[in-house]
Amino acid sequence: GQQVMQIPQYQHVQEGEDFTTYCNSSTTLSNIQWYKQRPGGHPVFLIQLVKSGEVKKQKRLTFQFGEAKKNSSLHITATQTTDVGTYFCASRQSGGSYIPTFGRGTSLIVHP
Amino acid sequence: DGGITQSPKYLFRKEGQNVTLSCEQNLNHDAMYWYRQDPGQGLRLIYYSQIVNDFQKGDIAEGYSVSREKKESFPLTVTSAQKNPTAFYLCASSPGGASGIEKLFFGSGTQLSVL
Repeated sequence: GQQVMQIPQYQHVQEGEDFTTYCNSSTTLSNIQWYKQRPGGHPVFLIQLVKSGEVKKQKRLTFQFGEAKKNSSLHITATQTTDVGTYFCASRQSGGSYIPTFGRGTSLIVHP
Repeated sequence: DGGITQSPKYLFRKEGQNVTLSCEQNLNHDAMYWYRQDPGQGLRLIYYSQIVNDFQKGDIAEGYSVSREKKESFPLTVTSAQKNPTAFYLCASSPGGASGIEKLFFGSGTQLSVL
């Protein structure tokens, strides 16, 4: 199936530092979604990006979709302990039916 | 998210036994999915259904079976042919392709372990 590479796998930060996770694909994506899974919980939808070069913000979170629609990033400014969890990107190929493929996720650990 | 119920929360399977995981949604969604989550592996698609009475294999369907007799229900059976069933199983639903809405709503998951 379609491969969506997500890096890094883990990220340790001190509270107040910034954090970024990246998703990359070798093929053009129709859209990309981001989910957050708290420890012991289930993934929860954060946002969907559709347009080339799109940037969306949710408080301290900034989401970007690349100009070529092959990569995306999630940036958190000034992390807090409530940001702890695993962040997943999910996508489907351009023109494909919606069978969502997930990246392996980036686990964020925030040290107080 | 509210609206999707998975049960049980924990399940233990003996050797050679089939077990069934329940997934029910009251969101009137057309599409439903089963994912398997292993540590460090992300979410891998087992089966999906885009409409009642129809379902398709995902990337890791071997050793699993599903049915979609009702719109609200999409049970997953882990058969004895699945030799490494220990994992966290997540059910999800979405309004479906015709609606143009692709957001997934997840249940709270079932942790399956082998005795």
